Amino acid sequence: GAVVSQHPSRVICKSGTSVKIECRSLDFQATTMFWYRQFPKQSLMLMATSNEGSKATYEQGVEKDKFLINHASLTLSTLTVTSAHPEDSSFYICSASELAGPNEQFFGPGTRLTVL
Amino acid sequence: GESVGLHLPTLSVQEGDNSIINCAYSNSASDYFIWYKQESGKGPQFIIDIRSNMDKRQGQRVTVLLNKTVKHLSLQIAATQPGDSAVYFCAENGGYSTLTFGKGTMLLVSP
Repeated sequence: GAVVSQHPSRVICKSGTSVKIECRSLDFQATTMFWYRQFPKQSLMLMATSNEGSKATYEQGVEKDKFLINHASLTLSTLTVTSAHPEDSSFYICSASELAGPNEQFFGPGTRLTVL
Repeated sequence: GESVGLHLPTLSVQEGDNSIINCAYSNSASDYFIWYKQESGKGPQFIIDIRSNMDKRQGQRVTVLLNKTVKHLSLQIAATQPGDSAVYFCAENGGYSTLTFGKGTMLLVSP
C-alpha cells in the first residue's frame, strides 16, 4: 500500500514553455501533498505544501507564480512550471501524507525535467 | 543556503559488514525523524522512523538510534548487501507536517 505515482517520469521542453507534472496517491487519500526539487548530488529541498481545496504554502524563495500548484482532490496534485528556463532543469519529486501532523511521507518516483 | 556542493559524504563498506550512517539535526524541538533510502533516479524510499520519546528502534536489519542531547541520529544496517548501495537521508519534522532533509550520505557496498 501507500503508493504514489508521478507523470511524466521525464520531460524535455523548450525554454519559455510550461510543463505540468502530476502526482497521484493510488491507494490512499492524501491529507497533504508536498513538492520537492533535487539538484544532482544534493538533498531534497521542499518547494511547497498543499492541502486539497486550499492554496499551497510555498517555502521562502520559491516563486509561486512560476511554480503553480493545484490540489484538486485528495488523490491528485499538479505542479506546473511556467515559462521554464534551463535553470529550472531538475528532479522534481512529490510526496503525500495520509495523516495530519508529523508523519511518514510517501514519495513518488520523481520527474526529470530538462529545459533546453 | 546550505549546500553540499558536488560531493556527498561517502561510506564504503564490504558486503557483510555492518554500516553506520550518522546525521546531525538542527532543531531541538523536532519530535519525529525518518531515514530514507534513495537510489539513483528514483524517489526516496522509507526505511525506518522514530519519535522523540524513544532512543532506539529496530526494523529488519536496520536500527535507528536517537540522541536528543547532542541532536544526533544514526542508522545502523546489519550485514550490508550490495543492494543497500544508495544515498541515505535523515529527515526531521519541520513545520506542522513538513520534513527537513539532511545532506545525505552515499553508501557504497562492494562484494
